[in-house]
Amino acid sequence: AQKVTQAQTEISVVEKEDVTLDCVYETRDTTYYLFWYKQPPSGELVFLIRRNSFDEQNEISGRYSWNFQKSTSSFNFTITASQVVDSAVYFCALSEMNRDDKIIFGKGTRLHILP
Amino acid sequence: DGGITQSPKYLFRKEGQNVTLSCEQNLNHDAMYWYRQDPGQGLRLIYYSQIVNDFQKGDIAEGYSVSREKKESFPLTVTSAQKNPTAFYLCASSTKTGLYEQYFGPGTRLTVT
Repeated sequence: AQKVTQAQTEISVVEKEDVTLDCVYETRDTTYYLFWYKQPPSGELVFLIRRNSFDEQNEISGRYSWNFQKSTSSFNFTITASQVVDSAVYFCALSEMNRDDKIIFGKGTRLHILP
Repeated sequence: DGGITQSPKYLFRKEGQNVTLSCEQNLNHDAMYWYRQDPGQGLRLIYYSQIVNDFQKGDIAEGYSVSREKKESFPLTVTSAQKNPTAFYLCASSTKTGLYEQYFGPGTRLTVT
C-alpha cells in the first residue's frame, strides 16, 4: 500500500492564483516526520519543510503555508499568489521512527503556473 | 559553499558497460543516499549508507553497487546487470538517517544505448 499519496498528478493555475497541493500519508507509528520538497526543471530537489507528528500547528513561510491534520492524515501545501517560478514538481515525504531509517516519497505533483 | 556535487550532469554509455556516478558532499553529513527517478515514478531508493564502510540496500538495489570509503564520498556503479539503467540519478545526504531532512545534489542523467 502506498504510504504517501499525492493524488494530483498535474495541476495548472494562472499566475497569482492560490493553489493547494494535497498529501495523504499512512503510518502506524506515533512518532514520524513529514517533508515537502520542490524539484524545479533543473532537477535538484530542494528541501522546503520538515514537520514532526507532535506539532500540528500550521506553518507559514512567505507565500508558502502548510496544513498538518493528524485526524485526516494529511499534510497539505498551499502557495498563495503563485508565480511562474513556482512551476516545479513537488514531493511530499514521510519518515517513520521505527522503519529502516528511510524517507518514503510520494510520486509528486507537477505544478504549472501559467503567465 | 557547502553542498553536494554530482558529476557528470549527463552521461552516455553503451549497453553492457559498467559506469560509475560520482557523489561528493562537504556538509559533514553521516548519511548518504542514492535514488533513481523515472518519469512519473517519483524517487526510488537504490542504496543508502549511515556511516563510513557501511551501506544497506534500498528498494531497487539489483544491478547497482556502492562503496563508502570516505565520509564525503558515495559513488554508485551501474552495472551491466541493471536491465533498464537509463534514468535520472540523485544523490542525497543528511545529518543522520531517518528523521532528518535530506539535501540533494543536482543529479546525473544517464543514457544507455
